[in-house]
Amino acid sequence: GQQVMQIPQYQHVQEGEDFTTYCNSSTTLSNIQWYKQRPGGHPVFLIQLVKSGEVKKQKRLTFQFGEAKKNSSLHITATQTTDVGTYFCAGPKTGANNLFFGTGTRLTVIP
Amino acid sequence: DAGVIQSPRHEVTEMGQEVTLRCKPISGHNSLFWYRQTMMRGLELLIYFNNNVPIDDSGMPEDRFSAKMPNASFSTLKIQPSEPRDSAVYFCASSPRTLSYEQYFGPGTRLTVT
Repeated sequence: GQQVMQIPQYQHVQEGEDFTTYCNSSTTLSNIQWYKQRPGGHPVFLIQLVKSGEVKKQKRLTFQFGEAKKNSSLHITATQTTDVGTYFCAGPKTGANNLFFGTGTRLTVIP
Repeated sequence: DAGVIQSPRHEVTEMGQEVTLRCKPISGHNSLFWYRQTMMRGLELLIYFNNNVPIDDSGMPEDRFSAKMPNASFSTLKIQPSEPRDSAVYFCASSPRTLSYEQYFGPGTRLTVT
């Protein structure tokens, strides 16, 4: 069946280091969304990518959608303690109107 | 905009009791989603509604779970009877449209069944 996998599952970085999480889908996606969930909080929408090879930036965050529209990445430059949380990618279920959420990457930033 | 509102925020109940979780979506959003989040299974979609009509309930664990959306501003998720394995955080989310549009999550209800 359709799956959306993320790696790594956990990542510990020193403050100021870069961080990248990768998202891989078993099927081609029409779009991909990224969410951030702070500890004890709820998922918050960050961005949506639609076009093949699309790259979008939000300050220190860079999002990329693969050429085949089956993978995506989120890169954070010079992490800060405010970046702590779990980052989820989500893609639409084929032929349906709901999202498959990835397994998430939990980021810990060590001051 | 108040965002998605969920109640209660915390619920502790004994096994066998009925539990009702409530959600008020963002005004004007026509899609509503119920999710369950646990450490073991991550974020799972239970059911979603489009224009108050249930579209896909394939994620509902079993007959003990039921969800309703009697109008555009209110939805409930009911568990009867509850079991310890139902302990999780339940999120409600709404979206302005189905497919390809971002979802706005409520703060969640943390359910503990003892």
